[in-house]
Amino acid sequence: KQEVTQIPAALSVPEGENLVLNCSFTDSAIYNLQWFRQDPGKGLTSLLLIQSSQREQTSGRLNASLDKSSGRSTLYIAASQPGDSATYLCAVEKTSYDKVIFGPGTSLSVIP
Amino acid sequence: GAVVSQHPSWVICKSGTSVKIECRSLDFQATTMFWYRQFPKQSLMLMATSNEGSKATYEQGVEKDKFLINHASLTLSTLTVTSAHPEDSSFYICSARDRDTFSYEQYFGPGTRLTVT
Repeated sequence: KQEVTQIPAALSVPEGENLVLNCSFTDSAIYNLQWFRQDPGKGLTSLLLIQSSQREQTSGRLNASLDKSSGRSTLYIAASQPGDSATYLCAVEKTSYDKVIFGPGTSLSVIP
Repeated sequence: GAVVSQHPSWVICKSGTSVKIECRSLDFQATTMFWYRQFPKQSLMLMATSNEGSKATYEQGVEKDKFLINHASLTLSTLTVTSAHPEDSSFYICSARDRDTFSYEQYFGPGTRLTVT
């Protein structure tokens, strides 16, 4: 059974810092891994999707890496801003057209 | 980009009543849609997989007679919470796949917040 964990559960940093969020999954046989952002009381915003054949994806100040063999992914946020404050969720999918398993999330607070 | 909508965005109902939530794929067709539930300060948990033209597949522990799912067309799935109770209060999110592209990414709706009083 696939299990997804995220460390840390919460993180508070001063504005401008670079930071790393970690995601681990127990079954390395995944189809893809996706990082989402969720603001309080809101839905999900897809940030980055990494296919199993890829090692990383980048979008603006965000960079996500994937190491399938070790069952890990990291989300790197450069030059953090207060607007980055949100909960970040990682999710894995075992096969195409399969269900998505979510991690518990990391709550990020960027202090001005 | 692909857009999934949900209606209503929030609903308050009395205990014992039924509530219907709609999930629509606006610019693509979806043979499969997924329904998730999120309790406060928790992550999303899959409730069921909705398949167009056939019965939904429910996750273990989810009562199929309480959470009725109908996927009547390639752009619409509905979740009906029957005889709602306060413990059903939650954030319900649906997702859908575009069957006509090679992108297997799931597109998520904005969610529906249900409060049962």
